[in-house]
Formats: sequence, structure tokens, C-alpha cells
Amino acid sequence: GAVVSQHPSWVICKSGTSVKIECRSLDFQATTMFWYRQFPKQSLMLMATSNEGSKATYEQGVEKDKFLINHASLTLSTLTVTSAHPEDSSFYICSARPGLAGAVGYNEQFFGPGTRLTVL
Amino acid sequence: SQQGEEDPQALSIQEGENATMNCSYKTSINNLQWYRQNSGRGLVHLILIRSNEREKHSGRLRVTLDTSKKSSSLLITASRAADTASYFCAPSQAGTALIFGKGTTLSVSS
Repeated sequence: GAVVSQHPSWVICKSGTSVKIECRSLDFQATTMFWYRQFPKQSLMLMATSNEGSKATYEQGVEKDKFLINHASLTLSTLTVTSAHPEDSSFYICSARPGLAGAVGYNEQFFGPGTRLTVL
Repeated sequence: SQQGEEDPQALSIQEGENATMNCSYKTSINNLQWYRQNSGRGLVHLILIRSNEREKHSGRLRVTLDTSKKSSSLLITASRAADTASYFCAPSQAGTALIFGKGTTLSVSS
């Protein structure tokens, strides 16, 4: 149980185009999903917290107009990198937290396998 | 949210040896989690230890938590080449996002 998938697993795009990455919780409902970015040989950096049905909360320094997050259902969140540039090339990882406050597993985060974005 | 600091940053051992990595944090927590990341892959959840627990085992993994010292350790016994990965700790307060430090890069040679 507690499986999170991401699609696509890798994507190559041209500079200036937009790329959408999907994050799905396959066997549980996730009221909260998180998006991280990881550059080579660095740690994961939290980009934003996404709550189902409301606007995402972005970390300091993350441009909300560039990284559009939509969490329209309890099993799906999407991250759209708009007008991508080579410096946006990175490994994007989502995670999902089951249930509501007080529910079993609420304090755990389950991570997707990541999406490698390369912008040419 | 708070970040854990792993130590050492890099660890190289031979197969069959034990590997110990440590994690320190700054403020009170609800639980602490350890994750593994193989190169270029996502994170794999290893173990969660709650603030009222002192030790937890899972297979070859042993995690300890000392809330008075705000520290945790992860012991991997009888290491295998397949254990080669980066390991991250994530101290957590209830409901907050996990923040990751630089991790410990473990290399197990055969």
C-alpha cells in the first residue's frame, strides 16, 4: 500500500515550452501533496505544499507563476513548469500524505519515483 | 518544519560491515523518519520512530532516538553492496512538510 506514481518519469523539452508533471496516490487519498526539486548531488528542496481544493503554499524563492500547482482531487496533483529554461532542468519529486489530521499515516509522507526534466 | 543534519556526509565500508549514520535536529518533534535514495531515483521510506520511542528495528535496520539530545542514529548491519545509497533523516512535527538535509552517502564495496 501507500504507492505514489509520477508521470512522466523523464521529459526533454525545448526552452520556452511548458511541461506538466503528474503525481498520483494510487491506493490512498492524499489531502496534502508536496513538490520537491533536487539538483545533482544536492538534497531535496521543498518547493510547495499542495492541499486538495485550495491554492498551493510556495516556499520562499519559488516562483508561483512559473511553477503552477493544481491539486484538484484527492489522488492527483500536477506541477506545470511554464516557459521552461535550462536552469529548470532538475529532478522533481512529489510526495503525498494520507488522510486528515489524526488519521493513521497522517505523519508519513510517501514519495513518488521522480521526474527528470531536461530543458534544452 | 525543520531540517535534520546527517553525519557523516560520506561513509565507505566493506560488505559485511555495519554502517552507522547520525542525525541531529534542533526543536521538539513528533516523529523522525529515515529515507533512502538510490542515485537518480525517488525516496524510499525506511522507518519512522515516534518521539515516545527509543529504539526501533526493521530487518537489518536499527534506529535509535534520543529526544534529550535531539539526535537519532541509523544502523545498518551486515551491509551489502545494494545498500549503497544516500540516506536522509527527516524530523517532523505533526502535519508539517519534511525538510531534508544533505544526507549521508553510503558506499558499500564488495
